[in-house]
Amino acid sequence: DTEVTQTPKHLVMGMTNKKSLKCEQHMGHRAMYWYKQKAKKPPELMFVYSYEKLSINESVPSRFSPECPNSSLLNLHLHALQPEDSALYLCASSPTPSGGSSNEQFFGPGTRLTVL
Amino acid sequence: AQSVTQLDSQVPVFEEAPVELRCNYSSSVSVYLFWYVQYPNQGLQLLLKYLSGSTLVKGINGFEAEFNKSQTSFHLRKPSVHISDTAEYFCAVNQVVGSSNTGKLIFGQGTTLQVKP
Repeated sequence: DTEVTQTPKHLVMGMTNKKSLKCEQHMGHRAMYWYKQKAKKPPELMFVYSYEKLSINESVPSRFSPECPNSSLLNLHLHALQPEDSALYLCASSPTPSGGSSNEQFFGPGTRLTVL
Repeated sequence: AQSVTQLDSQVPVFEEAPVELRCNYSSSVSVYLFWYVQYPNQGLQLLLKYLSGSTLVKGINGFEAEFNKSQTSFHLRKPSVHISDTAEYFCAVNQVVGSSNTGKLIFGQGTTLQVKP
């Protein structure tokens, strides 16, 4: 299995809702990432998990809450989002988190989030 | 801090013509460089990567890139494009974050390749 899967593909939520995005990989990778991507822009890093521990938080608002239950799963819990949070949310994984390595990242197809 | 500049936001080209997408980076240390492609409504797919060794790197779908250290460039080329190559292309460099030994990708702004029949 050489892919990263994400569910759901599309999500529409109101500003008072609580929802979660899910990401899964079975490549034995020990680093997992959440990105946010607006249309015609590059992905913006949100969080990095290294060996199931949060290692990077790019000053993301607390209405986004990541969770890494085990080495294969990564969740992003959403609460009280704003319309400007509407975007494509991408998950990625890499064999190691090491900055000294090639650190090739494998991306999932993304979840298209719309906040009403 | 490292940065990546993609010099063209859009590149229109006719089918079967050659294409070059330009990427320059700034870094004071050794770098690992990547080109990713994103088709509409999809995630990013790795086209090719430069880690070390030969400066000419071959990737998937007939793409190749040349690493030029003196010019700090990593331009992507394809000798003959197809309609199916229409997509967004991102150049990226790996950056170590502080003392955490965790790497993060620094992306360029992207280049939209529009292949016309």
